[in-house]
Amino acid sequence: NAGVTQTPKFRVLKTGQSMTLLCAQDMNHEYMYWYRQDPGMGLRLIHYSVGEGTTAKGEVPDGYNVSRLKKQNFLLGLESAAPSQTSVYFCASSYSAGGSYEQYFGPGTRLTVT
Amino acid sequence: GQNIDQPTEMTATEGAIVQINCTYQTSGFNGLFWYQQHAGEAPTFLSYNVLDGLEEKGRFSSFLSRSKGYSYLLLKELQMKDSASYLCAVRGSNYGGATNKLIFGTGTLLAVQP
Repeated sequence: NAGVTQTPKFRVLKTGQSMTLLCAQDMNHEYMYWYRQDPGMGLRLIHYSVGEGTTAKGEVPDGYNVSRLKKQNFLLGLESAAPSQTSVYFCASSYSAGGSYEQYFGPGTRLTVT
Repeated sequence: GQNIDQPTEMTATEGAIVQINCTYQTSGFNGLFWYQQHAGEAPTFLSYNVLDGLEEKGRFSSFLSRSKGYSYLLLKELQMKDSASYLCAVRGSNYGGATNKLIFGTGTLLAVQP
């Protein structure tokens, strides 16, 4: 049981390049989330999904797109990277909403845009 | 608006007790979570409160007062390995109950000294 995994772990992009971050979970969780974490800003929600085939915007969605074609995978895309997108990106998942269902986090992807 | 406040940094001595406070102002309330995050790692779940009072889990306890918009995390018998960031997160009721979305504070960096 690997939990939540993210690929890649590190990436350096040049301004204007594109890339896709992959998140996978093997816990049969319905809900998945993408966050970014910046110094002094805490975790901020980019996009989330409440089930296969669904996506919705979070707090800071501009410059990002997502897809959830399979229940176990949640992809985050950057179409044209900007230096402001330099951050640590975390994916998370939870079994259900409400109650004590916590979010489980992946190990993170450190992205630098030059 | 949504706002969660925590102290930025705290220092404590090995073997001592430390209390990390969190105050929140959110659109509704449907639970409060505490996460631990070691440097360079993913956040991991520590505790959940939805009713007023104290929840105890080994060396860690968490308290909630909904009327005051206030929570604290109490760490007893501090160990060096407790040096980490502690994140307070609130699930609002208007949307959070159906999506499990969380609003995170910026975290409190705890340094445990010998």
